[in-house]
Amino acid sequence: AQTVTQSQPEMSVQEAETVTLSCTYDTSESDYYLFWYKQPPSRQMILVIRQEAYKQQNATENRFSVNFQKAAKSFSLKISDSQLGDAAMYFCAYRGSGGNKLVFGAGTILRVKS
Amino acid sequence: GAVVSQHPSWVICKSGTSVKIECRSLDFQATTMFWYRQFPKQSLMLMATSNEGSKATYEQGVEKDKFLINHASLTLSTLTVTSAHPEDSSFYICSARLGAGVDEQFFGPGTRLTVL
Repeated sequence: AQTVTQSQPEMSVQEAETVTLSCTYDTSESDYYLFWYKQPPSRQMILVIRQEAYKQQNATENRFSVNFQKAAKSFSLKISDSQLGDAAMYFCAYRGSGGNKLVFGAGTILRVKS
Repeated sequence: GAVVSQHPSWVICKSGTSVKIECRSLDFQATTMFWYRQFPKQSLMLMATSNEGSKATYEQGVEKDKFLINHASLTLSTLTVTSAHPEDSSFYICSARLGAGVDEQFFGPGTRLTVL
């Protein structure tokens, strides 16, 4: 079974600085999707960024980018120019290409200091 | 964008009663919907996957008779917590997926259930 591990329960970053959230996963599949979701205090899950495993190029969405290392099964999220609104719980998630289910990591609480 | 709604957003009920939570895809047809449970400051745990017109597939450890899921149409799935007890108090989240081959799930805003 696939597993997703987020080893940082909490992280803090100063406003306008950069922070990296870690995620590793375990799978025997060669084709799959990886996601980062944000859950602010409202509890609404918001898709931040996604990566298809067959793409070598790291995904980027404005201030959010990933470092996808397929051989190492690592998928970290970098948030640049952090803003107060980035404060939330961040979840890393995995889905196999032929599967339905998302497998979530335990989450990382990100605090942004002004 | 794709919008998923949930109703109610919060509910308080007495122990022993049943509670129904609705999940609707507002601007798309969802062949597959998912139900998750989330405890405070914890991750989402998948409870079941429901496909329109067929029986839901429950995850190991989830009681089928306690958490009844119905996916009667392509835009509506319901979760009924039967004979609720305080330990069922939690945050329940649904998500919907357009169809096979589409990798994104769209999440509802969640329902907070408190059982007294």
